[in-house]
Amino acid sequence: GDSVTQMEGPVTLSEEAFLTINCTYTATGYPSLFWYVQYPGEGLQLLLKATKADDKGSNKGFEATYRKETTSFHLEKGSVQVSDSAVYFCALNDYGGSQGNLIFGKGTKLSVKP
Amino acid sequence: ETGVTQTPRHLVMGMTNKKSLKCEQHLGHNAMYWYKQSAKKPLELMFVYSLEERVENNSVPSRFSPECPNSSHLFLHLHTLQPEDSALYLCASSQDAGTGPDLGPLHFGNGTRLTVT
Repeated sequence: GDSVTQMEGPVTLSEEAFLTINCTYTATGYPSLFWYVQYPGEGLQLLLKATKADDKGSNKGFEATYRKETTSFHLEKGSVQVSDSAVYFCALNDYGGSQGNLIFGKGTKLSVKP
Repeated sequence: ETGVTQTPRHLVMGMTNKKSLKCEQHLGHNAMYWYKQSAKKPLELMFVYSLEERVENNSVPSRFSPECPNSSHLFLHLHTLQPEDSALYLCASSQDAGTGPDLGPLHFGNGTRLTVT
């Protein structure tokens, strides 16, 4: 079945460092792809999304490009801040299955040190 | 301020207890969800309700019983749980639970941290 694989964490960076969190997916169709973020003590929030190949989602300085040829949707940010410390989840919309079920990766914890 | 409110934030219960988790959404959405978040595991979808009708049940044990009395409220009734059921239970809502290419976004509550002793 469809699945999402994220790089294992935790990832620890210094403030202003460059961030990449890898995400690859397996899907039979053409899913939409998402990044969600979970700050400590909170639920998940949508960070960005892309609905078709070569689309780039962006928000709050984060970017991810839907790469069909490599089945990837890597999250990047040029200069991280302490406030970016959170858990990041890659997900796909398995709409070809039942009721638009989102399939999530296991999450990658990011810690940014001042 | 989240548009999805969950209570309680924390719950400790014994294996013989009966308790309920509550979720309320103020977004006018038509679909609501229960997810289970355990350490080191992907989020697990438990139940989906669309317009108050259950449309998805991912083989969840019967000791978890959902209830959706209207499109704004969702409950998860718990009884005779096991220690491995300890987890963060997240409620979410979305405009629709359709099958098109643009599902999202899901709006999550802050979760109920459940500990089963």
